[in-house]
Amino acid sequence: TQLLEQSPQFLSIQEGENLTVYCNSSSVFSSLQWYRQEPGEGPVLLVTVVTGGEVKKLKRLTFQFGDARKDSSLHITAAQPGDTGLYLCAGARTGANNLFFGTGTRLTVIP
Amino acid sequence: DTEVTQTPKHLVMGMTNKKSLKCEQHMGHRAMYWYKQKAKKPPELMFVYSYEKLSINESVPSRFSPECPNSSLLNLHLHALQPEDSALYLCASSHPGLVYNEQFFGPGTRLTVL
Repeated sequence: TQLLEQSPQFLSIQEGENLTVYCNSSSVFSSLQWYRQEPGEGPVLLVTVVTGGEVKKLKRLTFQFGDARKDSSLHITAAQPGDTGLYLCAGARTGANNLFFGTGTRLTVIP
Repeated sequence: DTEVTQTPKHLVMGMTNKKSLKCEQHMGHRAMYWYKQKAKKPPELMFVYSYEKLSINESVPSRFSPECPNSSLLNLHLHALQPEDSALYLCASSHPGLVYNEQFFGPGTRLTVL
C-alpha cells in the first residue's frame, strides 16, 4: 500500500511554463520533504515543511503543506530545463525513523 | 561536511560473488539507511540503523547483510545475488528521532548482477 500518491506521474512541458505537482495521502505526517533526483544520482533534499498550511519558497519553487498535514504541493514558475528530474515527496511520522516516499513525478522541461 | 559518500559508483558482479557497498558520512548523524531503487520507481527502504543498532529490516533477503561498524560508516555485504537485485542502492543519513527526519542521500551505487 502506497501511503503517498503523487500526480501527475509524468509531466512534459515547454520551458517557461508553470506547473504543479501534488502529493496526497489519507494519513497525517509530522513533516513532509520534497526531493529532486537526477538520473543515476541520489535524491537531493529541496525543502521540509512542518506546520499545517505552511508555504515555503525556494527561488521559482513554492511548496505548500496542507492544513491537515495530509497533502502537499510543489509549484514551479517559469520552468527551466535544469528543473528536469524525478520529484519525490516523503512523509515523516513522529517516533518513526523511516520516511514514506511518494510514487514520484518525472518532469521533463523541453528547451 | 554535508556530504554522504558511497563506493563504488558502479559494480558488476556474478551470482556467486561476494562484494560490499560502503557508505560514509561526517555530519554527526546517528541514523543511517539503505534503500534499493529500481528504474523510474521511488526508493524502497531496506534497513535502518539508529545509534549503530539495526532498528528496521524491511524483510530483506539474507543475501543482503548490513553492518554499521561505527557512527560514520555503513556497509552492505552482498552474497549470492540474483539478476533481479540489479538496482541503484542508496545510502542516507539523518538525526534520529527528530520530527522532520530530513535524510541526506549519497549518490548511490549502480549494481548489475549477471
